[in-house]
Amino acid sequence: QVQLVESGGGSVKPGGSLRLSCAASGFTFSDYYMSWIRQAPGKGLEWVSYISESGETKYYTDSLKGRFTISRDNAKNSLYLQVSSLRADDTAVYYCARGKAMIGPWGQGTLVTVSS
Amino acid sequence: DIQMTQSPSSLSASVGDGVTITCQASQDISNSLDWYHQKPGKAPKLLIYDASNLETGVPSRFSGSGSGTDFTFTISSLQPEDIGTYYCQQYHNLVTFGGGTKVEI
Repeated sequence: QVQLVESGGGSVKPGGSLRLSCAASGFTFSDYYMSWIRQAPGKGLEWVSYISESGETKYYTDSLKGRFTISRDNAKNSLYLQVSSLRADDTAVYYCARGKAMIGPWGQGTLVTVSS
Repeated sequence: DIQMTQSPSSLSASVGDGVTITCQASQDISNSLDWYHQKPGKAPKLLIYDASNLETGVPSRFSGSGSGTDFTFTISSLQPEDIGTYYCQQYHNLVTFGGGTKVEI
């Protein structure tokens, strides 16, 4: 079955960096756009970024441009999000998901906590 | 950027009631709208795509309508397992989610 498993979250100090990973299985990874979406504690969903099937085209929400970088390795069926210059308001569960429309399935999420 | 205004932000209804949620886009998005349901502590799940199409396996009590800037999501007969938060999402230009509607029984 289709499965997405995120990893790489954790606790980090303001200004720090993390690399989030998403391992995909159960479908032809290279056939799909992939997205990162985050959810701050008790808040709604916020789209972060998506990447085209080949990895050539990448889009980001305006407020995060320059600090977050999406990438993928189709040979490893993996999606990545490099997050840097982290701030307290970046604290959230980060979800990996298939597609940019009809988004699904979603992974279980990985929690990033930014605190001094 | 396209803004999505969802209402109400929360509602309480009884089992068997009809429930309606609206979503308004800040500009014409045609039918480029999906609806998701997020149960507490879980990842969201797609219910409706392209404004009015039911995702495979989703019960027929869920429906969506609208185009342009105004969209409606309906649960015809609320069930206990329908609690959680519902989100609209546009993909006409990048991606934007509505603020969510928390449904309680």
